[in-house]
Amino acid sequence: DVKVTQSSRYLVKRTGEKVFLECVQDMDHENMFWYRQDPGLGLRLIYFSYDVKMKEKGDIPEGYSVSREKKERFSLILESASTNQTSMYLCASSGGQGAWETQYFGPGTRLLVL
Amino acid sequence: DAKTTQPNSMESNEEEPVHLPCNHSTISGTDYIHWYRQLPSQGPEYVIHGLTSNVNNRMASLAIAEDRKSSTLILHRATLRDAAVYYCILRDFNNNDMRFGAGTRLTVKP
Repeated sequence: DVKVTQSSRYLVKRTGEKVFLECVQDMDHENMFWYRQDPGLGLRLIYFSYDVKMKEKGDIPEGYSVSREKKERFSLILESASTNQTSMYLCASSGGQGAWETQYFGPGTRLLVL
Repeated sequence: DAKTTQPNSMESNEEEPVHLPCNHSTISGTDYIHWYRQLPSQGPEYVIHGLTSNVNNRMASLAIAEDRKSSTLILHRATLRDAAVYYCILRDFNNNDMRFGAGTRLTVKP
């Protein structure tokens, strides 16, 4: 079974702090994604990566950056956390680039910014 | 991007079949239809996908209209563990990312 793990289930940070959210997948997948999920807004794509050191902006990249130094790891960085970044963050991976490919999601990190 | 329309919520009785509808009238010829579900406090999980023909797997069946402008996810015997938000998503051949809408919240009553 594909496993996507996220470094924390719950995280509390203060405004202005730098926040790192880590995601690791164990199936040698090329593609990795970061989403955030908010009530009434569904899942929104922040960034994705097709390969090591590659990144592409999603729908809402402002205030975020990403890092993919190794194939299995995709990090989401909040350079200076703000209260409007309080959300559930979901990481996903997929093996190929076809429209038929399945995305496998991690359990999510619930981030609270005070 | 082609959009999908789903009812906000549906209810079902345990051990009865459930038909979850999805309208996608602007679907293009290369869009795949995917269904995911999200159980409480978990990340979304894949359920099923198809292009033109009906599909069956161990979790569900997917019925796709002949004109492809709508589809229906069928859970043959709902259980309490099937209570979740179900998302119908179109994936374009040229794009690897997915666009999740609000989904349908399925409640299963004992």
